[in-house]
Amino acid sequence: AQSVTQPDIHITVSEGASLELRCNYSYGATPYLFWYVQSPGQGLQLLLKYFSGDTLVQGIKGFEAEFKRSQSSFNLRKPSVHWSDAAEYFCAVGARNTGNQFYFGTGTSLTVIP
Amino acid sequence: GAVVSQHPSWVICKSGTSVKIECRSLDFQATTMFWYRQFPKQSLMLMATSNEGSKATYEQGVEKDKFLINHASLTLSTLTVTSAHPEDSSFYICSARDTRGLRGYTEAFFGQGTRLTVV
Repeated sequence: AQSVTQPDIHITVSEGASLELRCNYSYGATPYLFWYVQSPGQGLQLLLKYFSGDTLVQGIKGFEAEFKRSQSSFNLRKPSVHWSDAAEYFCAVGARNTGNQFYFGTGTSLTVIP
Repeated sequence: GAVVSQHPSWVICKSGTSVKIECRSLDFQATTMFWYRQFPKQSLMLMATSNEGSKATYEQGVEKDKFLINHASLTLSTLTVTSAHPEDSSFYICSARDTRGLRGYTEAFFGQGTRLTVV
């Protein structure tokens, strides 16, 4: 069955500290992986995506994620967190070339303290 | 990336009335559109998938007669919440994909979401 697990419901980090948000997936085909960010009351904004190739992908706002097939993981990282990064983060997995839905994790809420 | 516009961004309606939410792909043709519902502090729950010109496929537990979805063109899908009740209050988000990859990508793009409050 297809699923995405984000083990951390809530994370608090200090501004300037590094960040890693975990994502594990289960998918029956070649995964197409995403990280989205959602500010309160807003829609989802794509941070980055992985199709194939280089397993370390760069995204917007200084985020990066590494695809590890052996661990079925796609963790999101940022070397230095800014207060504006406080938001809800969702990991998603889907198939690339079909009309099938994406499967979302339950999200990780990030709080940034000064 | 492509742009998906969702309208309105928020709406308040009286119990028993119907509300229509629009989802438009502004610069690409959306062969497939998805409608999600999000409860506070929770993830997105897929309600239905619609392919242009076809009837929508609803997820288990979603009332198709209550949540009417129309995807009549490659740039517009609508979700109508009929006879809305307070328990229908939620954040509704659409997403659109061009599965043909004509723009070089097939990922989904999301609308801004609609906050529905039924009073």
